[in-house]
Amino acid sequence: DTAVSQTPKYLVTQMGNDKSIKCEQNLGHDTMYWYKQDSKKFLKIMFSYNNKELIINETVPNRFSPKSPDKAHLNLHINSLELGDSAVYFCASNRRGEYNEQFFGPGTRLTVL
Amino acid sequence: DAKTTQPNSMESNEEEPVHLPCNHSTISGTDYIHWYRQLPSQGPEYVIHGLTSNVNNRMASLAIAEDRKSSTLILHRATLRDAAVYYCILEKVASGTYKYIFGTGTRLKVLA
Repeated sequence: DTAVSQTPKYLVTQMGNDKSIKCEQNLGHDTMYWYKQDSKKFLKIMFSYNNKELIINETVPNRFSPKSPDKAHLNLHINSLELGDSAVYFCASNRRGEYNEQFFGPGTRLTVL
Repeated sequence: DAKTTQPNSMESNEEEPVHLPCNHSTISGTDYIHWYRQLPSQGPEYVIHGLTSNVNNRMASLAIAEDRKSSTLILHRATLRDAAVYYCILEKVASGTYKYIFGTGTRLKVLA
């Protein structure tokens, strides 16, 4: 009974390709997030959705497009992949509000060749 | 943007207390302080959070300086399973949004 799940766990692809990463949470949370962790382990927020509405959109290239079909899912689609997109991507969720603990998924390691 | 500063790495002997420091000198009055840890090949997991007062829970204690410009995560008795990267995070509240600003993390090594 995984709380926040991501698929795939590993993704290896060529430059220029388009790929998607899926995220699902079964915690009944209304807010979901995408984070990027670079090779130096630095974590930075990319997007946040609340009840399927985009509420945080950091300075992320337009090639990245999140999609939330319902409150339990937040998928990340990436067009025209570049070498610099190689990283570990984490999905997280919580109930909207201050100091509400975020629950993170296991991560998706994306390698662009 | 406010940010946090942490030592890159620390070592501790098993069964001894560990004090992990964090500086956040540009913290705003409404920013919460969170600590998460990341075990190898896993996503971050919650450890503790606070605003102004010191906090205790079953995992750790959080000591917050009176001026809130620094905080310390205290693990009372380190075990080998506590070896992880510990992140000090500011939760910034603005216009109904709540955003985590992660620090660079401290890699804790626990020696048997």
